[in-house]
Amino acid sequence: VVLTQSPARLSLSPGERATLSCRASQSISSYLSWYQQKPGQAPRLLIYDASDRAPGVPARFSGSGSGTDFTLTISSLEPEDFAVYYCQQRKNWLFTFGPGTTVDVK
Amino acid sequence: QVRLRESGPGLVKPSETLSLTCSVSDSSIITDHYWGWFRQPPGKGLEWIGSIFYSGSTYYNPSLNSRLTLSVDTSKNQFSLRLKSVTAADTAVYYCARGAPYGSGSCDHWGQGTLVSVSP
Repeated sequence: VVLTQSPARLSLSPGERATLSCRASQSISSYLSWYQQKPGQAPRLLIYDASDRAPGVPARFSGSGSGTDFTLTISSLEPEDFAVYYCQQRKNWLFTFGPGTTVDVK
Repeated sequence: QVRLRESGPGLVKPSETLSLTCSVSDSSIITDHYWGWFRQPPGKGLEWIGSIFYSGSTYYNPSLNSRLTLSVDTSKNQFSLRLKSVTAADTAVYYCARGAPYGSGSCDHWGQGTLVSVSP
């Protein structure tokens, strides 16, 4: 399964809304996760099963979608949210990641 | 709070075997979770390498399947990766992580990562 993320880069200001897209080449039901990664750090799980927030993740992060089209929304960007975001899918216990979306300061 | 830590050589010669171990602490490795390996070449995205359950069941990235072996040592609470015949393309930060045994199989705990360079 190939994952495509768009846009590749999103330049926004703090307080703005961010909408990130992830599209799968075939249906993956709701088997999609979202991760945030900052420079020099390991990925951090944000969303699992397409729409469930991981423990400790702020409510401004939300996920939606099923089948082939998924969205990660950050309702109001905080300074610490500027990072790279990856989607990841599972099908038959094989995993792939999308290429990532960089959210940076406008 | 599960903690994972990768260990192994930071430099491997081309055509040799890359070996890494992930030590798990504050949790038994004998759970329903899977234990996974991921990597990230410098400046690039994430790649799943493979997963192993404590029972020894394994799932490998098809692109690495012929060179990859994962193993688990429950007595030491560790799991390991061996990647043979490495090339410069295997230079990356390698991460180990714990994954959910259901649903999207997401990884909620990660090691800090270790950089492995393949160079003569």
